[in-house]
Amino acid sequence: AQKITQTQPGMFVQEKEAVTLDCTYDTSDPSYGLFWYKQPSSGEMIFLIYQGSYDQQNATEGRYSLNFQKARKSANLVISASQLGDSAMYFCAMGIMNRDDKIIFGKGTRLHILP
Amino acid sequence: NAGVTQTPKFQVLKTGQSMTLQCAQDMNHNSMYWYRQDPGMGLRLIYYSASEGTTDKGEVPNGYNVSRLNKREFSLRLESAAPSQTSVYFCASLVVSSGSYNEQFFGPGTRLTVL
Repeated sequence: AQKITQTQPGMFVQEKEAVTLDCTYDTSDPSYGLFWYKQPSSGEMIFLIYQGSYDQQNATEGRYSLNFQKARKSANLVISASQLGDSAMYFCAMGIMNRDDKIIFGKGTRLHILP
Repeated sequence: NAGVTQTPKFQVLKTGQSMTLQCAQDMNHNSMYWYRQDPGMGLRLIYYSASEGTTDKGEVPNGYNVSRLNKREFSLRLESAAPSQTSVYFCASLVVSSGSYNEQFFGPGTRLTVL
């Protein structure tokens, strides 16, 4: 079965500090993908970063990086040098390839950046 | 290129009424999804469709039906609305390239209230 878990309902971080948002997953399929999305208070879903299970290197996109630890089944999002505009909900998601592309989400983490 | 569009943006129904939420994408994606978002629950998958003519149940399919009318359109129907279906509904489509996922594109959401 496919399962994804975000254990931090909320986090408070000082501006300019680095942030790590936790995400663990569970699947027996070897071929899968992991996504992170940001949802600001306006409600839209903003794609941040993607990691494939066969990717050798951790994915990076600007200030975002995905700390992919396959053996531990974790896919934590790291935001470097946080900004006030990073305050939002963050969702981790997983899709199993070659299995009808079913993609499920975690419950999310609400991040508050403090000035 | 409009991306993923959803109609309506807002809807109020009375218990027992029916309605259809419309979703369309103009990016030629094969896979499409319907999610609902409730406070503290993240995004939960209702139904998804890996290709035209196929649909599959997600995590919370009860009380809903879907139609994948063609490659562009994927509609969600509530036959007899209940207050428990009050939620924000998101439609999404998935990019798959070179055998790997890339990004799920989301529509702006439909805020549904059932009285």
